[in-house]
Amino acid sequence: DQQVKQNSPSLSVQEGRISILNCDYTNSMFDYFLWYKKYPAEGPTFLISISSIKDKNEDGRFTVFLNKSAKHLSLHIVPSQPGDSAVYFCAASGVGNEKLTFGTGTRLTIIP
Amino acid sequence: GAGVSQSPSNKVTEKGKDVELRCDPISGHTALYWYRQSLGQGLEFLIYFQGNSAPDKSGLPSDRFSAERTGGSVSTLTIQRTQQEDSAVYLCASSLAPGNNYGYTFGSGTRLTVV
Repeated sequence: DQQVKQNSPSLSVQEGRISILNCDYTNSMFDYFLWYKKYPAEGPTFLISISSIKDKNEDGRFTVFLNKSAKHLSLHIVPSQPGDSAVYFCAASGVGNEKLTFGTGTRLTIIP
Repeated sequence: GAGVSQSPSNKVTEKGKDVELRCDPISGHTALYWYRQSLGQGLEFLIYFQGNSAPDKSGLPSDRFSAERTGGSVSTLTIQRTQQEDSAVYLCASSLAPGNNYGYTFGSGTRLTVV
């Protein structure tokens, strides 16, 4: 039962353009969402998060959007840079639950 | 240390042998988590330690898996009688406090290969 889904295993984007990574969830009890970035042979690193009381959170080139009614969130990266090439994981947690449930990841490749 | 340290970074073991994986969390981080990533899969929760509370073991896939955290710091994940399906990258993470406002800090993982 995959409660957090990233339906695109890979995505290629031209340098300078916008990258949009999508994530869907099924558990209505999830109230906190995070994105992690992972380079090969390294652990995932925290990128940006959003609480369910918000619908948008921005940090520099990275913006996360949350649509609770659709149980959907997305990560926008603009402008995309070659160093953004990595695997991106969406994760979610519920009230009083410190465990994160992760998606299967999307491999983003930025084409110079 | 500055980050979460895991050892060994790679481990190849024969089917049926026991293995121990070690995690040194960031000093002062009270929460410690073990996850694993099998080929083509997402990160699968295994176990969670918070301070002196009883660990949340709900993600351990079988009774061959166990973990302990000594002195609220270093943690060891033990897999007994390893099977080929145990092959995965085992990731440890720690966080400053319960809850996820700060995100986890992950180690680089231990790549376990059971042959």
